[in-house]
Amino acid sequence: DAGVIQSPRHEVTEMGQEVTLRCKPISGHNSLFWYRQTMMRGLELLIYFNNNVPIDDSGMPEDRFSAKMPNASFSTLKIQPSEPRDSAVYFCASSLALGGGNQPQHFGDGTRLSIL
Amino acid sequence: AQSVTQLDSHVSVSEGTPVLLRCNYSSSYSPSLFWYVQHPNKGLQLLLKYTSAATLVKGINGFEAEFKKSETSFHLTKPSAHMSDAAEYFCVVSETGRGGADGLTFGKGTHLIIQP
Repeated sequence: DAGVIQSPRHEVTEMGQEVTLRCKPISGHNSLFWYRQTMMRGLELLIYFNNNVPIDDSGMPEDRFSAKMPNASFSTLKIQPSEPRDSAVYFCASSLALGGGNQPQHFGDGTRLSIL
Repeated sequence: AQSVTQLDSHVSVSEGTPVLLRCNYSSSYSPSLFWYVQHPNKGLQLLLKYTSAATLVKGINGFEAEFKKSETSFHLTKPSAHMSDAAEYFCVVSETGRGGADGLTFGKGTHLIIQP
């Protein structure tokens, strides 16, 4: 079975440029999560969607970050303009959320983002 | 509110010896608990989960964890470490019964080092 697919795997760009990260969740999953991982702060939840609707975006650092989920099989995380402090590994995860809190999340391999 | 504390940031063991990674949690509701493993440059992979069934949970790769409500602990163990077990391990809590999408709270991780 195909897992969560993220693209690109690596992205290097100059500060000020727009960055778009992409995620395809596991088919049939109804929840999608975007995380950021750094050495300093560990794993941080940025935003999550349930049935394509953003539920909690309180983890989004600032207005430069935005996320969309136009359909059940695709989501994007956009940073505009990018800054060096945005450098991190960004993970997408999906799950079949039933409201009981006991469903595990399945993670993609991440996008390693470097802003110069 | 829920939280999780991984008591050791680094654990070093010799190959063939037992592994113990410690995790304590707090939760206002009946928790679901997970252990994930992250190998270098990879996403998080589910090792095992506890969801109010048997308190001793067996996972992949010979790992198991025991849920102890009186101690609010969910320690991860393995009888005999293998070199391939070297990775970062995350303890995760989710509150059953909260409803809505299943948000997880991650510990800060324990880096497991296997000495030859």
